[in-house]
Amino acid sequence: DQQVKQNSPSLSVQEGRISILNCDYTNSMFDYFLWYKKYPAEGPTFLISISSIKDKNEDGRFTVFLNKSAKHLSLHIVPSQPGDSAVYFCAASARGGKLIFGQGTELSVKP
Amino acid sequence: GAVVSQHPSRVICKSGTSVKIECRSLDFQATTMFWYRQFPKQSLMLMATSNEGSKATYEQGVEKDKFLINHASLTLSTLTVTSAHPEDSSFYICSAREQAGGRETQYFGPGTRLLVL
Repeated sequence: DQQVKQNSPSLSVQEGRISILNCDYTNSMFDYFLWYKKYPAEGPTFLISISSIKDKNEDGRFTVFLNKSAKHLSLHIVPSQPGDSAVYFCAASARGGKLIFGQGTELSVKP
Repeated sequence: GAVVSQHPSRVICKSGTSVKIECRSLDFQATTMFWYRQFPKQSLMLMATSNEGSKATYEQGVEKDKFLINHASLTLSTLTVTSAHPEDSSFYICSAREQAGGRETQYFGPGTRLLVL
């Protein structure tokens, strides 16, 4: 049972445009959501998080939106840069429990 | 953000030998660390949760006698792959949970590439 799903395995965006990465979840007990960025042969790097009491969190070029009724969150990157090319994982946890990861979306930002 | 290190970054060993991987939280104390495994083109698979001073909690399907975990201090957890076989070849990643400001975030190490010949 995949509790966290990233249905798009890949996404290609032009440099300077907006990248929108999507994530859906099924467990209504999830109350904390995170996005990680991962380069090949490296560990994931924490990007941004959001708790269920909020619907938006912004940090520089990165904004995460949470729609609890739809059980959906998204990561917006604007403007996108070639260095943003990586695999992005969303993750969720319930009451401080273990993180459940999505399958990842590979973002390619073309110059 | 917080820093987590792993050692070694890469290891090649013969089948039947044991390999130890260290995970350290460098600038914070972590009562809980996690060990993941990643296969090519796949998501991170949680293997076990390592709790300081107590036994690790293993996920279903992970052999606790094969993947020995020790969390001896608040900054160090080790994963020992015992009697390694080629099918154990993978990318192993640890993470450490930081609790600050009422929130918890996991920070990941850079990973260890294990190749068993």
